Amino acid sequence: SAVISQKPSRDICQRGTSLTIQCQVDSQVTMMFWYRQQPGQSLTLIATANQGSEATYESGFVIDKFPISRPNLTFSTLTVSNMSPEDSSIYLCSVDYESPDTQYFGPGTRLTVL
Amino acid sequence: GENVEQHPSTLSVQEGDSAVIKCTYSDSASNYFPWYKQELGKGPQLIIDIRSNVGEKKDQRIAVTLNKTAKHFSLHITETQPEDSAVYFCAANTGGFKTIFGAGTRLFVKA
Repeated sequence: SAVISQKPSRDICQRGTSLTIQCQVDSQVTMMFWYRQQPGQSLTLIATANQGSEATYESGFVIDKFPISRPNLTFSTLTVSNMSPEDSSIYLCSVDYESPDTQYFGPGTRLTVL
Repeated sequence: GENVEQHPSTLSVQEGDSAVIKCTYSDSASNYFPWYKQELGKGPQLIIDIRSNVGEKKDQRIAVTLNKTAKHFSLHITETQPEDSAVYFCAANTGGFKTIFGAGTRLFVKA
């Protein structure tokens, strides 16, 4: 499986600020995905990022709040903008590997907004 | 769209016993069913998966069964060990890039 890393692993931020989360994979992959996992909850897809095109956002998530970059086949960033305490969650990066429907996850970024 | 329901939400077993987690899905077009294990403070780890052309798949102490007619699939863990304690997520995919996850099952294995 692919080795996926995320930075930072955790952060505590003040409301109104922004945080950019980085995701790096050790192999070239077609698609990268960003998920949010609220405390004790399941995984909710924020957006899908394909290299060289605009990210595709799921219902309830907008580009102004969660801008995403995908500059190459091994790297992506997710920014959480103008944060509020409701944004406190684990943010997970995943990639498709071996086949389009098989996803592997990074370790996650634990965000607390005060 | 696809909806995946997972039961139970919490499961407590004695070490050495078996654990079974059940999921149902709504979209008959779903053809890929992965299971993930998430330990505290870590990302979900793919532990086993099954495709719709197979009824059962086994990997050491874990197995997954699929009943396409009833649209349900299950994870079976035999001879449970304390290190099996984690949250387990089932998921369904119709062959594209979108995977729908169940709500999760918190498994406790008591030594």
